[in-house]
Amino acid sequence: AQKVTQAQTEISVVEKEDVTLDCVYETRDTTYYLFWYKQPPSGELVFLIRRNSFDEQNEISGRYSWNFQKSTSSFNFTITASQVVDSAVYFCALSDLTGANNLFFGTGTRLTVIP
Amino acid sequence: NAGVTQTPKFQVLKTGQSMTLQCAQDMNHEYMSWYRQDPGMGLRLIHYSVGAGITDQGEVPNGYNVSRSTTEDFPLRLLSAAPSQTSVYFCASSRVSDGEKLFFGSGTQLSVL
Repeated sequence: AQKVTQAQTEISVVEKEDVTLDCVYETRDTTYYLFWYKQPPSGELVFLIRRNSFDEQNEISGRYSWNFQKSTSSFNFTITASQVVDSAVYFCALSDLTGANNLFFGTGTRLTVIP
Repeated sequence: NAGVTQTPKFQVLKTGQSMTLQCAQDMNHEYMSWYRQDPGMGLRLIHYSVGAGITDQGEVPNGYNVSRSTTEDFPLRLLSAAPSQTSVYFCASSRVSDGEKLFFGSGTQLSVL
């Protein structure tokens, strides 16, 4: 069965520190997709990144970077030089086995950036 | 661009009442779905649809009904509300092709007393 584990329930960092959010997944699919979504205090869900299981290249977008390692079934998310606006709940998600676009979400990590 | 629109934003029900949460999208997306978000549990899939006239159950479908008569609309019906259905509900849509990102509505906060 699909499973996504975000072991860090809450993290607090001081502004400008780097922080890594961990995501470990389980699937028996050979083709799958991994996602990260951000949920700021306003409550909406904002798409951050999608990664195909065949593409293990790391990705960087500004202060955000993602490290995908199939060998350890991990898809970790690093924020460099954190800012107060990064305070949010971050969800890692995995495509499920139905073939539709359903996602199986982790329980989320609440990040608080202290000014 | 409206995107995915959910109404209402907030709702309070009494146990046993029924209601419909509305979801509409204007992106011509074939895929639509409903998730519920509970503290400490992430988002869980209730029902989904890959096109008009086609619906299927997700992980937690009990107590909910859906229909998809048009591409744009995907309402979620609570048949007889229970306190366990107190949650935040999100509607999402996307194109139907592998790995498409989901576009989410702003959510409906539902309390059942």
